[in-house]
Amino acid sequence: AQSVTQLDSQVPVFEEAPVELRCNYSSSVSVYLFWYVQYPNQGLQLLLKYLSGSTLVKGINGFEAEFNKSQTSFHLRKPSVHISDTAEYFCAVSVTGNQFYFGTGTSLTVIP
Amino acid sequence: EAQVTQNPRYLITVTGKKLTVTCSQNMNHEYMSWYRQDPGLGLRQIYYSMNVEVTDKGDVPEGYKVSRKEKRNFPLILESPSPNQTSLYFCASSLTWAPSYEQYFGPGTRLTVT
Repeated sequence: AQSVTQLDSQVPVFEEAPVELRCNYSSSVSVYLFWYVQYPNQGLQLLLKYLSGSTLVKGINGFEAEFNKSQTSFHLRKPSVHISDTAEYFCAVSVTGNQFYFGTGTSLTVIP
Repeated sequence: EAQVTQNPRYLITVTGKKLTVTCSQNMNHEYMSWYRQDPGLGLRQIYYSMNVEVTDKGDVPEGYKVSRKEKRNFPLILESPSPNQTSLYFCASSLTWAPSYEQYFGPGTRLTVT
């Protein structure tokens, strides 16, 4: 089984400041990587994904993530956050495309 | 509107009383999956289905059953619920099982077993 570690359970950040949410995974084989966002009382929504190719992936709402194979990381970044970015963020990994392993989540709170 | 629906959205039940949580999608998706979300544990995959009559265990299948008799429906069955199955459950679907296709999540079902 794969494992995904999100080191920060809570990240407070001021509005318009940059943010990085960290994600590390353990796998000895090639993986597919995902970031999802969960707004309060809603299901998850895909932010972005890495399948292959360029290690810098751009997603919706101005987010981007960088795949680093040597460090087995897939950190999520946004240069300037908005109040509306307050949500729970989940990193996920899949090897086969049918089984998915999620991290424990990072709660991002944007402070006005 | 393209969506994944779950019913019920909230359920309180007692230990041992069989229950079914329904999941339906109207996007003609082949792949469907069930997850449970618990504080501090994130989401964990219970079962998934790559197509009609094709199901397989995820990471935490114990205590759950599923069936996929029709493409659109993927019910989750708890034959004898226990308090440790109190959780928030999500159903998801995608066009196929390939990772290039986005998973669409339902709104969730909050289950409490007393």
